[in-house]
Parts: sequence; C-alpha cells; structure tokens
Amino acid sequence: DVKVTQSSRYLVKRTGEKVFLECVQDMDHENMFWYRQDPGLGLRLIYFSYDVKMKEKGDIPEGYSVSREKKERFSLILESASTNQTSMYLCASRPGTPLSTEAFFGQGTRLTVV
Amino acid sequence: AQSVTQLDSQVPVFEEAPVELRCNYSSSVSVYLFWYVQYPNQGLQLLLKYLSGSTLVESINGFEAEFNKSQTSFHLRKPSVHISDTAEYFCAVKKGYSTLTFGKGTMLLVSP
Repeated sequence: DVKVTQSSRYLVKRTGEKVFLECVQDMDHENMFWYRQDPGLGLRLIYFSYDVKMKEKGDIPEGYSVSREKKERFSLILESASTNQTSMYLCASRPGTPLSTEAFFGQGTRLTVV
Repeated sequence: AQSVTQLDSQVPVFEEAPVELRCNYSSSVSVYLFWYVQYPNQGLQLLLKYLSGSTLVESINGFEAEFNKSQTSFHLRKPSVHISDTAEYFCAVKKGYSTLTFGKGTMLLVSP
C-alpha cells in the first residue's frame, strides 16, 4: 500500500513563527501536492511539485513556500504564520504516469496559529 | 480552467435509505473523475474513479457513480446507507496533466 506520512497530526504555533510541515511518501512518486482544507471551501491547492527541486504554484500560494530536496519528501513552509493560516493541511502524492492515476493522501496536519 | 460543483453541502438521511450526492463539472474535453471520502479525523481515501469505458463505476462498499457527458455530471449513489457511511465526500476532476480540482464537499449524515 502507498503510504503518505505527515509528521504531525496537530500543531499549535504562535503568530509570526516560521512553521515547517513535513510530508514523506514511500512509493517513489514523482508528483507531490499540498492542499489546505477549510469548512465550506473544500480542498484548495497551495503548491505542487512534479520532480525534485521543481515546484509550481497552486491556487493559493500566498504566504507559503515549499521545498523538495529529495524525491520522497515535500515540505510546506509558512514563513511567518498568521491566524488566517489556521487550517487542516493535506499532503498527497501520485505517480507521474499514467495520467489517470489517483492521488494518495496523508492523514492531515491540523495547524492552529494563535 | 475546469471546476467542480457539489450542489449540497450537507445531506441528512436515515439508515437503510437510498442517497444521491450530486456533482457537476465544467469541461468540454475528456476528463478523469474521482470521488474521495473523508471519515472523521482522517485523510482522504479514493472511493471510485471514472477514466473511460463504462459510464457506471462501482466501489467495493456499495457506492456507484455514473458519468453523464451530456449533463457533465458524476453523481454518487448508494441504494441503502449505513451509519458507518457518515463522512464527507469530495468530487474531483483531473484534465490532462493538470492537478486535481476538488468540489467543496458534501457531508453525509446517516442517522438511525
């Protein structure tokens, strides 16, 4: 089975802190994604990566950055956390091909910024 | 860009009743369509997917969805729900090499 592991289930951080959310997948997938999930808004794509050191902005990249130094790991960085970044963050991965393959999700990290 | 509309934010239903969760997408070209389920305090799991071929696809736990190209719909149905089906359901569309676009989700609430 594909396993996508997010390092923390729950995090509480202070406004202005630099926050790192880590995601690791064990299936040698090329593509990795970060979404945030908010009630009534569904999942919104923050950033994705289709290869090591490659990244693309999603729909809501403002206030976030990402790092992909190794194929299995994709990190989401909140440069200066703000209360409006309180949310559930979901990491996902999928193979580069075939194009029809679904994405596999981690358990999520619920981040609270106080 | 493609988009996904889930018409109901919440669907309450009694146990053993049938249910339909509606999903419409906007795209004029071939797409891949997915339904994901999220149980409380968990990540998303794939429920079923439509890639090509038969327009009716089924999951292992009794759900089915029908791809209707003329109505650009991919509604999810189950003839008899269980309490354990209580979860949030997300419809998603993927076109070509692009990423998944999700709907806002439908919360299915099954009561005894």
